[in-house]
Amino acid sequence: SQKIEQNSEALNIQEGKTATLTCNYTNYSPAYLQWYRQDPGRGPVFLLLIRENEKEKRKERLKVTFDTTLKQSLFHITASQPADSATYLCALTYTGGFKTIFGAGTRLFVKA
Amino acid sequence: DVKVTQSSRYLVKRTGEKVFLECVQDMDHENMFWYRQDPGLGLRLIYFSYDVKMKEKGDIPEGYSVSREKKERFSLILESASTNQTSMYLCASSLRTMGRGNEKLFFGSGTQLSVL
Repeated sequence: SQKIEQNSEALNIQEGKTATLTCNYTNYSPAYLQWYRQDPGRGPVFLLLIRENEKEKRKERLKVTFDTTLKQSLFHITASQPADSATYLCALTYTGGFKTIFGAGTRLFVKA
Repeated sequence: DVKVTQSSRYLVKRTGEKVFLECVQDMDHENMFWYRQDPGLGLRLIYFSYDVKMKEKGDIPEGYSVSREKKERFSLILESASTNQTSMYLCASSLRTMGRGNEKLFFGSGTQLSVL
């Protein structure tokens, strides 16, 4: 079955630095890949979507890359701020499918 | 903004009780989903629905059922609650895009269910 791996260890970085989070998956590539942010006690919030034929997508301080050869997506937050501290989830959806599979998420702490 | 509302923030139930979790969305989305979230396991799909009165099993449907009588409302039912169903339950909705399933899920705030 398809698996998504995100670093289970928390990522601690200093304010102003770039945070890079990794999402690896097994087996076949999805039609698209999404990143969500989740704050404690809240539901996930959609951030970015990147399709299988796209290499990179940007939105303000956020950047996502998608490498179907490596079966990997990288999620970058530039000029990070303490308000960026949250758990970030990677999610995959397959062509024609209604099922979106989520990773367990990576917790990010940005220190002032 | 899309709003997905879950009826309860916290619920405490006893083993064997029948439990109803309600979810309402206000953006006329075709697709609705129920996930549960447990530490270290991420979100796991229980059931989803792509239209009124339609339902499909997700990855962990055992012990659950769902109802979708109206487009805006999707209910999750625990027929006989057990302690291993203690979890955070998240409802989500999405617009159905042509031929590609769902994109951009909108989530509710979740219901933390404790079964004692």
